[in-house]
Amino acid sequence: AQKVTQAQTEISVVEKEDVTLDCVYETRDTTYYLFWYKQPPSGELVFLIRRNSFDEQNEISGRYSWNFQKSTSSFNFTITASQVVDSAVYFCALRQDSGAGSYQLTFGKGTKLSVIP
Amino acid sequence: GAVVSQHPSRVICKSGTSVKIECRSLDFQATTMFWYRQFPKQSLMLMATSNEGSKATYEQGVEKDKFLINHASLTLSTLTVTSAHPEDSSFYICSASVRIPSGTDTQYFGPGTRLTVL
Repeated sequence: AQKVTQAQTEISVVEKEDVTLDCVYETRDTTYYLFWYKQPPSGELVFLIRRNSFDEQNEISGRYSWNFQKSTSSFNFTITASQVVDSAVYFCALRQDSGAGSYQLTFGKGTKLSVIP
Repeated sequence: GAVVSQHPSRVICKSGTSVKIECRSLDFQATTMFWYRQFPKQSLMLMATSNEGSKATYEQGVEKDKFLINHASLTLSTLTVTSAHPEDSSFYICSASVRIPSGTDTQYFGPGTRLTVL
């Protein structure tokens, strides 16, 4: 069974602060993929990043960065110099090949980020 | 990223009626489409997975006779909520992906459909 835990239910930061969203996962597979999605108030999920289990390189994209640590089964997401537009619910998700041919995503419960002006 | 559309974005219906929601991949052919349900302030719950040309695979606890899924083509999947009841009110989200053997495909999500059953 696979599981994704986002322990932080809600986070509030003041604009320009840095914030890290935690994600811890459980899986028995050696091959798996991790994702982060953003869900703004409009409701549409926006793909942010995909990382496979063999690639532990950290990634930076503008103000976003991701830290993948297999040793601790974590895939944390940091927003630097947060902006009001970053306010959203962020979901971490795990995908392993179920073997039945369906590439199912298991989502964490999400972290609601509020950036205060 | 790839674009997935859903129609309608919002629907209000009377109890007992059926509602059809369309999900389209606009700039790619989706071999696999997924339907999710999201309750307020909760995470996404996978309802079913459908591959083009085959029957949908439903998750445990999801009534396949109530939630009819048709993956008619590589760009269109439909979810029909039959005989809707107030408890079916929810935010329904589809996603689409291209199946790649290496596993590097990514699910792209539609904007969601908010269903309210009176």
